[in-house]
Amino acid sequence: AQSVSQHNHHVILSEAASLELGCNYSYGGTVNLFWYVQYPGQHLQLLLKYFSGDPLVKGIKGFEAEFIKSKFSFNLRKPSVQWSDTAEYFCAVNTGGNYQLIWGAGTKLIIKP
Amino acid sequence: KAGVTQTPRYLIKTRGQQVTLSCSPISGHRSVSWYQQTPGQGLQFLFEYFSETQRNKGNFPGRFSGRQFSNSRSEMNVSTLELGDSALYLCASSSTLQGARGYTFGSGTRLTVV
Repeated sequence: AQSVSQHNHHVILSEAASLELGCNYSYGGTVNLFWYVQYPGQHLQLLLKYFSGDPLVKGIKGFEAEFIKSKFSFNLRKPSVQWSDTAEYFCAVNTGGNYQLIWGAGTKLIIKP
Repeated sequence: KAGVTQTPRYLIKTRGQQVTLSCSPISGHRSVSWYQQTPGQGLQFLFEYFSETQRNKGNFPGRFSGRQFSNSRSEMNVSTLELGDSALYLCASSSTLQGARGYTFGSGTRLTVV
C-alpha cells in the first residue's frame, strides 16, 4: 500500500534558523506531491505542489520543496523561519489515476521567538 | 470568493445515532473530498465526488456514506455512530479531479460521540 512518511513529529527551532522537513513516499509511478500547513486554530492551506517540470518548487511565505525522484522524497525547506511559521505541516501524495490524497502524519513546528 | 463552508462547526451525538454533515465547495469547484482527522490516525481519506459521482472511496465501513448534488454541494452521513467516530471531518474542494490546482479545505466539523 502507498504510504507517506514524515520523519520528525515535532521540530523546535529558533527564529532565523533554517528549516528542512523530510517527506518520503512509497510509490514507483507518477506522483503528485503537496505540502499543506495548518496554523493554530485555522484550516489546512496549500503551501506548494509539484506535478511535473522543475523539481524545485516555490510556494507561499518563502517555502520551497525539492522533488528527488531517486530518493522518493519531497522535502520542505525555508532558509530563515519566523515565529509566525509555528504550525503543523503535512506532506501528501496522490498517484496517477488515483484520486485520493495519502497523508503523512504531520510535523508540528514550534518557532521560539 | 467565499471559501469552503462546512456546517455545522460542532456536533455532539450519542452512540447509535446518525449524523449528516454538509459541505459547500468554492463556486465553480466540482470536486469535493472528505477526510477524517484524529490525533491517533491523522488525516484519512473518506471519499471524493466529482460531478455527482463518487470517484474513489477510502477504507471506511459502509456506515460512512456521502453524496453530491447538482450544485456540487456535498453531504456525508454516518449511521450507527460509535465512540471512535469522534473526529474532525474535513471537506476539500477542487476545480479538477486529483486536485490539480490543489485542494481548498473548509474549517471542518468537530463531531463528538458520547
